[in-house]
Amino acid sequence: GEEVAQTPKHLVRGEGQKAKLYCAPIKGHSYVFWYQQVLKNEFKFLISFQNENVFDETGMPKERFSAKCLPNSPCSLEIQATKLEDSAVYFCASKRGKIPGSDGELFFGEGSRLTVL
Amino acid sequence: AQSVTQPDIHITVSEGASLELRCNYSYGATPYLFWYVQSPGQGLQLLLKYFSGDTLVQGIKGFEAEFKRSQSSFNLRKPSVHWSDAAEYFCAVGGSNTGKLIFGQGTTLQVKP
Repeated sequence: GEEVAQTPKHLVRGEGQKAKLYCAPIKGHSYVFWYQQVLKNEFKFLISFQNENVFDETGMPKERFSAKCLPNSPCSLEIQATKLEDSAVYFCASKRGKIPGSDGELFFGEGSRLTVL
Repeated sequence: AQSVTQPDIHITVSEGASLELRCNYSYGATPYLFWYVQSPGQGLQLLLKYFSGDTLVQGIKGFEAEFKRSQSSFNLRKPSVHWSDAAEYFCAVGGSNTGKLIFGQGTTLQVKP
């Protein structure tokens, strides 16, 4: 597709439940990024993929968070046993190449808002 | 440490007035610099970017930004603000090694009629 598609737009979970978010990158884009935005503040980088391989996971909480990008499937971000502080908007972005600015623009989806009660 | 600082959390300007949003960065390698705008409930839209060449870059919607290496700054400007410019503005820095962007805290722009 011509846009980064994120589903669901809104997700409500009770504390301790699992949450799973999906992202379909733009066709032909090799890199996928996940960012977390809490309370309209700064975007925190979580993880990036080069095709189906993890490229950079330095921002990923080691516990409870996992992500995948499998061939012919949307990418996913899963949070096991959600906590109140996981409430945020999760943005997915994709780009053609690795280098910011010169390998194509980074396109963002509209985000998935996760509310943990 | 790599970081981006946007000193102004909230700015209010009158419609038609000029605008400058400040951005300072700390980055160990050659920085690639970006300004994004986020309207309520929306994702991020790229306004402009700098990665080499002319230090004054032009973007969409009449925005421009100037890269000043000596000051580690990349301030965003617009000569005449329109009411539709009210939004959140984020400055970001990236490099060639990882591709990820580091974002500032954002500046909320309010436009008075």
